[in-house]
Amino acid sequence: NAGVTQTPKFRVLKTGQSMTLLCAQDMNHEYMYWYRQDPGMGLRLIHYSVGEGTTAKGEVPDGYNVSRLKKQNFLLGLESAAPSQTSVYFCASSQGLAGNNEQFFGPGTRLTVL
Amino acid sequence: GQNIDQPTEMTATEGAIVQINCTYQTSGFNGLFWYQQHAGEAPTFLSYNVLDGLEEKGRFSSFLSRSKGYSYLLLKELQMKDSASYLCAVEGDNYGQNFVFGPGTRLSVLP
Repeated sequence: NAGVTQTPKFRVLKTGQSMTLLCAQDMNHEYMYWYRQDPGMGLRLIHYSVGEGTTAKGEVPDGYNVSRLKKQNFLLGLESAAPSQTSVYFCASSQGLAGNNEQFFGPGTRLTVL
Repeated sequence: GQNIDQPTEMTATEGAIVQINCTYQTSGFNGLFWYQQHAGEAPTFLSYNVLDGLEEKGRFSSFLSRSKGYSYLLLKELQMKDSASYLCAVEGDNYGQNFVFGPGTRLSVLP
């Protein structure tokens, strides 16, 4: 069981470039999330998905797009990267049921936009 | 609006007890979570409270008062490896769709 994996682990982009971050989970979880973490601001939700083929906006969705074509994968896209998107990005998944809806996190992607 | 407050930093001595507080104002409430995050690593789950009272799990305990919008994480017999950030998170309306994280409390355990 790999849990939640993220690709790539590190990336440096120039302003205006595009990229896709891949998240995969092997726990058969229904819900998946993308967060960004910046110093002093905690984790902020970008987008999330409650099932294959569905996505929804979180707290800070501008400048990002997502897709969930397969239940196990959740992709985060940056169409035109900006320096303000320099951050650590975490993917997470959960069962999405009432009760202890514990989230399992991936190792993170450290993105720098120059 | 939604808001979660935690102290930014705390320091404690190895072997001691430390209490990390969390206050919250959120739209709806379906549970409160505590996560531990070591520097450069992903958050990992510590505890979950949905009813008022104390939940104990080994050296860690978590308390919740829904009427006061208040929780604390209690760490006993501190060890050096407990030096980490501790994140308080509230699950609001709609299960799994409305998580709000606090800014985290960075705990330093000194010998």
